[in-house]
Amino acid sequence: KNEVEQSPQNLTAQEGEFITINCSYSVGISALHWLQQHPGGGIVSLFMLSSGKKKHGRLIATINIQEKHSSLHITASHPRDSAVYICAVKEGTGNQFYFGTGTSLTVIP
Amino acid sequence: NAGVMQNPRHLVRRRGQEARLRCSPMKGHSHVYWYRQLPEEGLKFMVYLQKENIIDESGMPKERFSAEFPKEGPSILRIQQVVRGDSAAYFCASSPAAVYGYTFGSGTRLTVV
Repeated sequence: KNEVEQSPQNLTAQEGEFITINCSYSVGISALHWLQQHPGGGIVSLFMLSSGKKKHGRLIATINIQEKHSSLHITASHPRDSAVYICAVKEGTGNQFYFGTGTSLTVIP
Repeated sequence: NAGVMQNPRHLVRRRGQEARLRCSPMKGHSHVYWYRQLPEEGLKFMVYLQKENIIDESGMPKERFSAEFPKEGPSILRIQQVVRGDSAAYFCASSPAAVYGYTFGSGTRLTVV
């Protein structure tokens, strides 16, 4: 079973700040997912990556396979970015993703 | 493309009743996954299905829970004789193949009273 840890658990930022959320895992993986969940809402897939770096708008995700670590960065944060960000990993031959407990982000205007 | 559709969005059941949660995957997706999110906890895998087959049900409680994904129609997660501890958000996700990431539905929030 893959242990997925996220840090920080809670994060408050001023609008415009650069934000970093970290994810580390214990067992080698084939893919890592970053998800966004709004309060009371559904889940949106932001990125799936297995190596390197991906960018979409103000969001950047990186992964270091050797260090078993991934980061999600948000540039020029905005109050609408306020949500829970969840990291999920999939092992090579497994069928399921293992989820971190999430990082709750609040961006203050 | 309507995305992954789950219904109902909210479901209230009394203890002992049955709950049926439906998930219609995205068009062209034949892989469906069910996850449960208990209050204040992270998402936990329940079951992975392809059309007419259960591939992995290692996360399903051994009793009262069952899932199906028939050739026609949505995937169904069925909980018999619900108890208060079943109260949670149940999310469905679909993908075109196991090697791809997947798209989540908006979830069904089950409350057992």
